[in-house]
Amino acid sequence: AQRVTQPEKLLSVFKGAPVELKCNYSYSGSPELFWYVQYSRQRLQLLLRHISRESIKGFTADLNKGETSFHLKKPFAQEEDSAMYYCALTGSARQLTFGSGTQLTVLP
Amino acid sequence: EPEVTQTPSHQVTQMGQEVILRCVPISNHLYFYWYRQILGQKVEFLVSFYNNEISEKSEIFDDQFSVERPDGSNFTLKIRSTKLEDSAMYFCASAVDTGELFFGEGSRLTVL
Repeated sequence: AQRVTQPEKLLSVFKGAPVELKCNYSYSGSPELFWYVQYSRQRLQLLLRHISRESIKGFTADLNKGETSFHLKKPFAQEEDSAMYYCALTGSARQLTFGSGTQLTVLP
Repeated sequence: EPEVTQTPSHQVTQMGQEVILRCVPISNHLYFYWYRQILGQKVEFLVSFYNNEISEKSEIFDDQFSVERPDGSNFTLKIRSTKLEDSAMYFCASAVDTGELFFGEGSRLTVL
């Protein structure tokens, strides 16, 4: 079975501070990991995926197979980063399994 | 930029009634999905559809649910006899391949 855990339901940081959103996963094979973001009143959209190894909007995430983690990081948070962030996984089954999400609030 | 569109944005129905939620996926996409999110809970997979048939479904997707691609453009989710616990936001998504999913804005279903 595939499972994604996001331990923080809510996270608040000040503008300019570093931010890390935690994600741990459980899957016996080689998963593909994603971060999706949902800004207020907008649709869910892909932020980044581990295989592309890109930095999007200053966010990065490294897949750590030893710790089964895929934490999302940004060195300097901006107010426009305030949103709901979902970590997600696909395995051999093509279905995307989401974590419960972390609501990030960046305070001025 | 092409988008997945969903209708209606909000539907209120009485328990026991049939509901059809409609989705127009992005035109060159081959994989189609329905997810739902009960208020305050996580986004949950319901069903995936490829090559005109269901490829996977979750335990939630019981006999009360069905999906169809009736005309090559729409992708519908039917709930045959709604229950109170079917109240949720239903998201349609489509994908070119098994990578990035593109989501619609969702249809909010309220069952009274």
